[in-house]
Amino acid sequence: DGGITQSPKYLFRKEGQNVTLSCEQNLNHDAMYWYRQDPGQGLRLIYYSQIVNDFQKGDIAEGYSVSREKKESFPLTVTSAQKNPTAFYLCASTQFLGTKNIQYFGAGTRLSVL
Amino acid sequence: GIQVEQSPPDLILQEGANSTLRCNFSDSVNNLQWFHQNPWGQLINLFYIPSGTKQNGRLSATTVATERYSLLYISSSQTTDSGVYFCAVLNAGGTSYGKLTFGQGTILTVHP
Repeated sequence: DGGITQSPKYLFRKEGQNVTLSCEQNLNHDAMYWYRQDPGQGLRLIYYSQIVNDFQKGDIAEGYSVSREKKESFPLTVTSAQKNPTAFYLCASTQFLGTKNIQYFGAGTRLSVL
Repeated sequence: GIQVEQSPPDLILQEGANSTLRCNFSDSVNNLQWFHQNPWGQLINLFYIPSGTKQNGRLSATTVATERYSLLYISSSQTTDSGVYFCAVLNAGGTSYGKLTFGQGTILTVHP
């Protein structure tokens, strides 16, 4: 099945630990995105990547890092510098068709702090 | 940056009722999407509608770009319609390609 796979579904982080969230897509989409969602809030953009080996900071990039070594994969690392990491993290991808940029989302990863 | 406001923030309906959700945006857009987030967190694309009107079953959407708003209509609501509805836009004058700005969402609860 074509789609976006995020893993794990639930993740727990200990104090001072870095954790990595996986996002894989088999839609052959060029661009990929990471969003953070806090309870009762909309989505806020963390990082995005338009092509392999290139990515840009979004609105709330501090405490996070990403890589884009393959078109299919866009992992997000939540570093120990992110002091409030508890949130729902969503990955999305899109195939640019001019301004018709329709984003498709994975099922998300819920991150909690132990 | 562009501001996106959705109303109402919460909506409670009885099954079978109709509803209208609104999305106002502060600048011109060349991309507007409506999403439904189900109770498990999955976001589902409902409409790509930068202008005009579209219908898909019991759902329809209208965007009046010149007046900077979009409406999502849900008719004969069902309990499975419950969840959060998000509007997201791409600023026509923006430089960040593909960077959608999301509203805060409307929480819809449909009771049987």
